[in-house]
Amino acid sequence: EIVLTQSPGTLSLSPGERATLSCRASQSVSSSYLAWYQQKPGQAPRVLIYGASSRATGIPDRFSGSGSGTDFTLTISRLEPEDFAVYYCQQYGSSPLYTFGQGTKLEIK
Amino acid sequence: EVQLLESGGGLVQPGGSLRLSCAASGFTFSTYAMSWVRQAPGKGLEWVSAISANGGTTPYADSVKIRFTISRDNSKNTLYLQMNSLRVEDTAVYYCAKKAGTTPYFDSWGQGTLVTVSS
Repeated sequence: EIVLTQSPGTLSLSPGERATLSCRASQSVSSSYLAWYQQKPGQAPRVLIYGASSRATGIPDRFSGSGSGTDFTLTISRLEPEDFAVYYCQQYGSSPLYTFGQGTKLEIK
Repeated sequence: EVQLLESGGGLVQPGGSLRLSCAASGFTFSTYAMSWVRQAPGKGLEWVSAISANGGTTPYADSVKIRFTISRDNSKNTLYLQMNSLRVEDTAVYYCAKKAGTTPYFDSWGQGTLVTVSS
């Protein structure tokens, strides 16, 4: 089973700042199989990035994804007030079929 | 517009059963794989089970294997999750999620239905 470890657990930043979120896999993951989601309180998750670096439909270009192998990064170039949320990485594998990281909470400083 | 509407959640005693439904609209349901993903209160996301477009493939997380059964009725555009032998640790919001075609991520999610297992 591939385990995804996200860091930091909580990130405190101000609007306008740059956010860098990390997702590290216990084994190599195909870039095609790595996605990022945003979840706000009381809402379902929504996909931001798939295939490690492709933005989903309607996602602003301040969101970008990068990485390969075991290290992946979600970057938000300039934080907007609506970006403060919890972020999850997710990979597709064999057993279990999908796994999620434990999440990074992005909070307003 | 894709819409996924879960129902069937509620309070159940340990050892009990519950069946969740997810009504889909706005896309050709019969051509997409679907999944159930759950989230315990204050916790992260956990994939539960998936089903292929034709229902022929149904993998499960080890935590629910044998106890839960995923199914679908393509004539009714509805996804199901039969949950038996429920445990306190199954308490969570259960989301149905649509797989994005051949790419393995979830491009649409329902609003979730809360399942509480408690005596």
